Amino acid sequence: QQQVKQSPQSLIVQKGGISIINCAYENTAFDYFPWYQQFPGKGPALLIAIRPDVSEKKEGRFTISFNKSAKQFSLHIMDSQPGDSATYFCAPRDTGNQFYFGTGTSLTVIP
Amino acid sequence: DAGVIQSPRHEVTEMGQEVTLRCKPISGHNSLFWYRQTMMRGLELLIYFNNNVPIDDSGMPEDRFSAKMPNASFSTLKIQPSEPRDSAVYFCASSLWGTTGELFFGEGSRLTVL
Repeated sequence: QQQVKQSPQSLIVQKGGISIINCAYENTAFDYFPWYQQFPGKGPALLIAIRPDVSEKKEGRFTISFNKSAKQFSLHIMDSQPGDSATYFCAPRDTGNQFYFGTGTSLTVIP
Repeated sequence: DAGVIQSPRHEVTEMGQEVTLRCKPISGHNSLFWYRQTMMRGLELLIYFNNNVPIDDSGMPEDRFSAKMPNASFSTLKIQPSEPRDSAVYFCASSLWGTTGELFFGEGSRLTVL
C-alpha cells in the first residue's frame, strides 16, 4: 500500500540555497508528521516533526509546513550547507504507532 | 544513554545458511520495529511490536523470516534459509508509544548473502 508519496527523488542545491522536499499522504488517521535524516552508513534520525494542529514549525534552518486539507507536508531547509547532504524521509505515523516511510530524497548541496 | 544496539554490524554468509540479527532497544521503550533497506525498495517495515507483542508482520517477506521479542530488552530477526535477495541493511528502531513517538534507529546490520 502506497500511503505516502515523497518528491523529488533527488535534489541538487547550491550552498546557501533553499531545499524543499514534499510529502503527500492519504491516511487521515495520521497524527504525527516527522522528517528523518539519514547519512551514509547510519540509521535515520529524527530531524523535525509536527502535529496536525499547527501549520508550521521552525527549528533553526529547518521548517515543516503542514497543509491538512491538502494532505501534504513539506520540509524546507534554508541556507543549505554541504553538511546537509543526506537522504531525507517523511514518515507520518498512524494512531496504532505505525510509521509509513516515504521513498526518500537524496539531497546534495554543492559548495 | 546507549541508544539502540544492533549486532552484528556486518554479516557475510552463504546461501542456505541461517542468519540471526539481534537488537537491544532503548531501556523503557515499549515499541520495537524491524526495517529492511535496499536501493531498489527503500526502507521497508518488516514487523513491529508493542509491549513485546507482534502487532503487524505483514511486511515479513515470507516464511523464511521470523522475529521474536522474548522480553522488553531484546529482539531477534531470523532468516532461514538465507538467499542472495535477502542482502540488505536491516535496521532495528524503538520508540515510547504514547509520547511524541520519536523513532530511534540503531546503526543497522549489513547482510550479504553470497
